[in-house]
Amino acid sequence: AQSVTQPDIHITVSEGASLELRCNYSYGATPYLFWYVQSPGQGLQLLLKYFSGDTLVQGIKGFEAEFKRSQSSFNLRKPSVHWSDAAEYFCAVPTFGNEKLTFGTGTRLTIIP
Amino acid sequence: DTGVSQNPRHKITKRGQNVTFRCDPISEHNRLYWYRQTLGQGPEFLTYFQNEAQLEKSRLLSDRFSAERPKGSFSTLEIQRTEQGDSAMYLCASSSTQKLETQYFGPGTRLLVL
Repeated sequence: AQSVTQPDIHITVSEGASLELRCNYSYGATPYLFWYVQSPGQGLQLLLKYFSGDTLVQGIKGFEAEFKRSQSSFNLRKPSVHWSDAAEYFCAVPTFGNEKLTFGTGTRLTIIP
Repeated sequence: DTGVSQNPRHKITKRGQNVTFRCDPISEHNRLYWYRQTLGQGPEFLTYFQNEAQLEKSRLLSDRFSAERPKGSFSTLEIQRTEQGDSAMYLCASSSTQKLETQYFGPGTRLLVL
């Protein structure tokens, strides 16, 4: 079955610094991949999604992610983080047919001044 | 488009009591999903509906859990004889039936069983 792994439980970066959050997938064929963000007390919001085609995907709030088949990765990046980016980030892969999402365990992002 | 709404946002109950949560999806969406999220984990799939039909249930959904979507619009999730292990955030999401359409999530209902 398809799955995703987020190796980093917690990451701390300084405001204005660049960010990369890791996501590795396990899937035989080309997967479809999503990144969601969850702010405290909020539901999940879709940042971006990869279906096919261009391996560099642009999302909302200045985020982007790159699909790398050779590394089985779909890492999320942002060139300069803002204090409002502090949140929990989840990588997810859908099941074909019913599209239920399988989520990683998440990475909590802390921003320091 | 008012988004997915869930009520109540918080629920505290005593072990053994029954609780019911409601989810109102985005109006034109005919797929509705329930997920459960425990502390430090990602959401886990519980069940999903296409219109009023419940098409899949996770093994996580014990016999004490039941979900309905009677008219293909809002959905309810009931937990009978709650246990402390049921304490979690219960998330609802909806989407259209187009392949791999984005799921839009509600704010969740946080359940605490004492």
